[in-house]
Amino acid sequence: NAGVMQNPRHLVRRRGQEARLRCSPMKGHSHVYWYRQLPEEGLKFMVYLQKENIIDESGMPKERFSAEFPKEGPSILRIQQVVRGDSAAYFCATQTSGFNEKLFFGSGTQLSVL
Amino acid sequence: DQQVKQNSPSLSVQEGRISILNCDYTNSMFDYFLWYKKYPAEGPTFLISISSIKDKNEDGRFTVFLNKSAKHLSLHIVPSQPGDSAVYFCAAWFAGKSTFGDGTTLTVKP
Repeated sequence: NAGVMQNPRHLVRRRGQEARLRCSPMKGHSHVYWYRQLPEEGLKFMVYLQKENIIDESGMPKERFSAEFPKEGPSILRIQQVVRGDSAAYFCATQTSGFNEKLFFGSGTQLSVL
Repeated sequence: DQQVKQNSPSLSVQEGRISILNCDYTNSMFDYFLWYKKYPAEGPTFLISISSIKDKNEDGRFTVFLNKSAKHLSLHIVPSQPGDSAVYFCAAWFAGKSTFGDGTTLTVKP
């Protein structure tokens, strides 16, 4: 996991607040994926981004969730007006090419909504 | 509609014995398969992979087998060690996206 940096590791929000999760890819990686893991479940694909472009957001809820990967800086997953059901571990994964190859994961952000 | 399934949520084996973790998939377009290992409070780490043109790939104690006709993937760990205790996820690639199973928790008893 060394190299893919996610912060914060733990984030506590009250219902209705906004959550911003950050992911800095490994050096040389320009493809970013966000996954969500609900308790007792597997990793569910949310969104795939390259620099300044959203390639596939088919796993993102239609409302309140957005993601970006700007030209400079980390990728951001934003959740507006959080609800208790958003409580989960959110993992970012990166790779060099976007084709069939392994993903490098960050350590995740554990979001808790009170 | 879960395209990648790991039907055994947990598996317990004795140290030194073989661990066999299974994975089934439904989408015949998947063309690359991977296994990841995850410890608590950490992100998954890559373990081993296999292309759809092969039926076996080996790396030390880890071997992955692919049966395309049955749409079935398995990971063999021989011999199993206590440090192998973790959650194992299988994943399948298609169209630039990796789909994961729900994971199998492996416990290796000393």
